[in-house]
Amino acid sequence: QQQVKQSPQSLIVQKGGISIINCAYENTAFDYFPWYQQFPGKGPALLIAIRPDVSEKKEGRFTISFNKSAKQFSLHIMDSQPGDSATYFCAARTAKYIFGTGTRLKVLA
Amino acid sequence: DAGVIQSPRHEVTEMGQEVTLRCKPISGHNSLFWYRQTMMRGLELLIYFNNNVPIDDSGMPEDRFSAKMPNASFSTLKIQPSEPRDSAVYFCASSFERQETQYFGPGTRLLVL
Repeated sequence: QQQVKQSPQSLIVQKGGISIINCAYENTAFDYFPWYQQFPGKGPALLIAIRPDVSEKKEGRFTISFNKSAKQFSLHIMDSQPGDSATYFCAARTAKYIFGTGTRLKVLA
Repeated sequence: DAGVIQSPRHEVTEMGQEVTLRCKPISGHNSLFWYRQTMMRGLELLIYFNNNVPIDDSGMPEDRFSAKMPNASFSTLKIQPSEPRDSAVYFCASSFERQETQYFGPGTRLLVL
C-alpha cells in the first residue's frame, strides 16, 4: 500500500513532442505528490509538485495531472527538448516520501 | 547558497572494510534523509532524522548499516563491514520540517569490490 508505481520505465520522444509519465498509488493518506528530475551524476531535484485537492498544475512546459478518484497522477512535458533528457521520479508523501522507480527519458534532436 | 554537501563523491573499497559517508545539510533545515539508489531497487529511504533524532530507520537494510547525526550540520552513514551488494549511489537530502521540498546532495558513488 506504500508503493508508488511508475510507468514507463523508459521513454523516447522526438524533439517537440509530448512526454507523458504516469504514476499510481494506493494509500489515500498521501498528501503531496512531487516530481523530481535527475541528470546523470547529479542528485534528484524538485521539478513540480501538486496537492490532492488540485486536478492540474502547470509550470512552463511541465504539467501535472491528478486524478484523485483513480489514484493516479501524471507528468506531461510539452514541446520536449533534448535538454529534458533525464530520469524522472514521481513521489508521494505521508510522514516520509515514497519514490517511484523512475522513468529514463530521452528526447531525440 | 551552498546546497547539501556530501563527501566523498566516489569511494572504492574492498569487501570487509568500513565505509563512512558524510553529509552536511542546508543550514536551517532540521530534517535529514539518507537514500540509496540502485538500478534494481530505485531510490530507497534508509533513515530519516528530525532535529538530529532518528525518526524512522526502517529502511536500514541490516545491522551493518548505522547512521548518526551528532549536530544539526553533520551526519554520517557507516557501513561495517561493507559487502559488494552495498555498491550503490548514496544520497543525503535535507528539508525544513515537512516543507514540501527535499534538497538532495550530489551523492556518493560507492563501489565495494
